[in-house]
Amino acid sequence: EAGVVQSPRYKIIEKKQPVAFWCNPISGHNTLYWYLQNLGQGPELLIRYENEEAVDDSQLPKDRFSAERLKGVDSTLKIQPAELGDSAVYLCASSRGTGVHETQYFGPGTRLLVL
Amino acid sequence: AQTVTQSQPEMSVQEAETVTLSCTYDTSESNYYLFWYKQPPSRQMILVIRQEAYKQQNATENRFSVNFQKAAKSFSLKISDSQLGDTAMYFCAFPNPGGSQGNLIFGKGTKLSVKP
Repeated sequence: EAGVVQSPRYKIIEKKQPVAFWCNPISGHNTLYWYLQNLGQGPELLIRYENEEAVDDSQLPKDRFSAERLKGVDSTLKIQPAELGDSAVYLCASSRGTGVHETQYFGPGTRLLVL
Repeated sequence: AQTVTQSQPEMSVQEAETVTLSCTYDTSESNYYLFWYKQPPSRQMILVIRQEAYKQQNATENRFSVNFQKAAKSFSLKISDSQLGDTAMYFCAFPNPGGSQGNLIFGKGTKLSVKP
């Protein structure tokens, strides 16, 4: 079974430029998560999807961040415009469903550096 | 608010020895799960072990085991016969209940170095 796939693995951009990250979850996993991981910290949730619906985006900075999950499979996270403080690792995870018992499976992450 | 605390930012252990990583959490829930994740330098987060709160028996996965003390809200990870490949960041995680059910709350992590 293939794991969670993310691309690109690394991205370097200048501030004020746009950037997009892509995630393909494990086949059959209905729930998809985007987490932000700052250096030396644990991941923090940005947005959670159940199928196509964003059910929790309370931590997503909506002035510059957007996300979509068309057809309930792949997802894209976008930042426009990027700021220096957005430099971090962006992790995508998926699970079969939603609940406190579900195990989340993580992708390798995209490391973003904003100059 | 649900919180997860890992009080050991860094630890080191000699190969083949045993090490214990600490985690405490705070919750008002009675039924929940707890997770330990490992994040090697390649950055892929991998599940190490999970514990169901209503089970008194501590979970075990090969060389990894937990010491779960519900009353004390403590969930430590023991790694026996440490191997060089165990070098990684280890995160304790707890699913956020209620409206954000399923979202994991992570501790700040413990950086474990296994020395030859």
